[in-house]
Amino acid sequence: AQKITQTQPGMFVQEKEAVTLDCTYDTSDPSYGLFWYKQPSSGEMIFLIYQGSYDQQNATEGRYSLNFQKARKSANLVISASQLGDSAMYFCAMRDHTGGFKTIFGAGTRLFVKA
Amino acid sequence: NAGVTQTPKFQVLKTGQSMTLQCAQDMNHNSMYWYRQDPGMGLRLIYYSASEGTTDKGEVPNGYNVSRLNKREFSLRLESAAPSQTSVYFCASIQLAGSNEQFFGPGTRLTVL
Repeated sequence: AQKITQTQPGMFVQEKEAVTLDCTYDTSDPSYGLFWYKQPSSGEMIFLIYQGSYDQQNATEGRYSLNFQKARKSANLVISASQLGDSAMYFCAMRDHTGGFKTIFGAGTRLFVKA
Repeated sequence: NAGVTQTPKFQVLKTGQSMTLQCAQDMNHNSMYWYRQDPGMGLRLIYYSASEGTTDKGEVPNGYNVSRLNKREFSLRLESAAPSQTSVYFCASIQLAGSNEQFFGPGTRLTVL
């Protein structure tokens, strides 16, 4: 069965420092995708980054990178050079071929960036 | 190109009332989804439609029904609203053969008294 776990309810980081948000997953499907979304206080869901299970390299998008460790079933998000605007909820998600591309989300991590 | 649109943005219901949340996408996407997000929590999948003409239950389907009216539209119906259904409801869509990004609507904030 699909499962996504985010164990950090809240995280603090100093402005300009890097921070890692944890995500572990479970699936029996060898083909799957992992996603990170940002939800600011305004409520919209903003796509950040995607990693496919067969991708050889870790995904990067600007200041965001995904530390993909397949054997450990982890897909941690690394934000470099944190900015005040990075303060938000961050959700990890997974999609596999179970039941027609069903996508499930973790409980989220609230990130606070301190000036 | 409006992306994913949802109506209404806000709604207050009394216990036992019914209503339908509307969702439409203009990106020719195949799959559409309905999620609910309770305060301080992640998104839980209610129902999804992998393609036009098909619908499947997600994690929390009880108390809801859905209709994939056509490729563009996917509606969520609450037949007899309960206070436990107070939540923010998000519709989303993806194009299986194209981008892997799931596009979200702006959400509907529903309160059941």
